[in-house]
Amino acid sequence: EAGVAQSPRYKIIEKRQSVAFWCNPISGHATLYWYQQILGQGPKLLIQFQNNGVVDDSQLPKDRFSAERLKGVDSTLKIQPAKLEDSAVYLCASSLDWALRKSSYNEQFFGPGTRLTVL
Amino acid sequence: AQSVAQPEDQVNVAEGNPLTVKCTYSVSGNPYLFWYVQYPNRGLQFLLKYITGDNLVKGSYGFEAEFNKSQTSFHLKKPSALVSDSALYFCAVSKSGGYQKVTFGIGTKLQVIP
Repeated sequence: EAGVAQSPRYKIIEKRQSVAFWCNPISGHATLYWYQQILGQGPKLLIQFQNNGVVDDSQLPKDRFSAERLKGVDSTLKIQPAKLEDSAVYLCASSLDWALRKSSYNEQFFGPGTRLTVL
Repeated sequence: AQSVAQPEDQVNVAEGNPLTVKCTYSVSGNPYLFWYVQYPNRGLQFLLKYITGDNLVKGSYGFEAEFNKSQTSFHLKKPSALVSDSALYFCAVSKSGGYQKVTFGIGTKLQVIP
C-alpha cells in the first residue's frame, strides 16, 4: 500500500514569510497527525485530526500556525508569518480509526517529512 | 503531564553483541508504550508497542522490549546487533484508550560498530 505522502520535502524561506505543507495519509486512515521535530528533539504533536474534526491542538501556536483537513482526507499545515524558531522538520502521520476496534489503531505511519529552514 | 526520558544520547555496541536502549516514562493511569525507529533521510517507522498482557513484547527486525511497571521503564533490546540497526530510536507513551496524544522522547542514536 502507498505510504503517507508529504510535499514539499524541503523549503527555505525568509522570516515573516508564509509557508504551507501538504500531507496525504494512507487510504482509509481516519486519524491524521502533524508533528514538529526540532533538531535534537523528539517529535512534538501540533495537531491531531479525526476525519475532519480536531481531536487535539493544544500545542499548536494558533497565532501563526493553522491546519485544515476539510474533506477528511488530505491536510494542509500553514505558518504565517514564520519565525526563525520554526526551523524544523514537519512530520505528518496517520493511523486507523480507533472506533474500528482494531488492535493496530494506535500504530502511526509517518511520511518522510518536510524540512523547513527559516532565514 | 506525560513524559518520556531517554537518558542516553548515543549507544555504541559491537556487531553481534546484545544491545539495550533505555526508556523511562511518566503517565497517569495505565500506559501505552511504543518504540519507533528513524533511519537517515527516512520517516519514523513503528517498531513495537506494549498495550497490556505479557511484559515482554516482540517487534520487527528481532527487537523486543520489556515493560516494567514498578520501574516505569520500557527498555528496547536485541540479542545480537547488526550494523543495519544503526539508526535513531524513539520511545513514546500515551494514556490507554482511544484518541490519546502520544508523547515522544528525544531519541537515542544507536551506532553498531562492525
